[in-house]
Amino acid sequence: DAKTTQPPSMDCAEGRAANLPCNHSTISGNEYVYWYRQIHSQGPQYIIHGLKNNETNEMASLIITEDRKSSTLILPHATLRDTAVYYCIVRVAGGNTGKLIFGQGTTLQVKP
Amino acid sequence: NAGVTQTPKFQVLKTGQSMTLQCAQDMNHNSMYWYRQDPGMGLRLIYYSASEGTTDKGEVPNGYNVSRLNKREFSLRLESAAPSQTSVYFCASSEVRLGRTEAFFGQGTRLTVV
Repeated sequence: DAKTTQPPSMDCAEGRAANLPCNHSTISGNEYVYWYRQIHSQGPQYIIHGLKNNETNEMASLIITEDRKSSTLILPHATLRDTAVYYCIVRVAGGNTGKLIFGQGTTLQVKP
Repeated sequence: NAGVTQTPKFQVLKTGQSMTLQCAQDMNHNSMYWYRQDPGMGLRLIYYSASEGTTDKGEVPNGYNVSRLNKREFSLRLESAAPSQTSVYFCASSEVRLGRTEAFFGQGTRLTVV
């Protein structure tokens, strides 16, 4: 699986959009971009994933650049409960092979 | 539907002791994982099992053994615990559904080796 690079930490004001970047310059054509988050000491939770088109669900939006070498997770109206560590992962979709490798992630602090 | 269940939740071991961390999932997933998370760090993959009867090393397998007993259960064994193995251990399972691979995590086992 391709490696990812994320900033170690970011701050965001409550109610504003949080934009979390991720670089994955060695991503392969059959690899998806996944985002997970880990609140406090709980197990990580799936947020969203995408291949090359922008994606949106009830939690967030995912913007993937045309060359697929980077992506941005957007939390449109961050709340204090969004304070967490956010992980960007790339992996091959389909089948049951492949390891799920987490990097260091970005610690997002949402401030009042 | 309990998801992924880990036992125990907390454990204190003395250096050199052995123990097995248990993990079970009730979602009929093929893939299961064991991770460790040290304070202030990200998750590191210890072992991975793509299906019943198969296991593969992850990023930090030394000092650990695993058993995929059946489709539901994936255990992690520390044969001779060391203080460096003090960590939070997470088990996870995943499956491809509608083209999406989503992993579900247990609540973690907090292990201290003294």
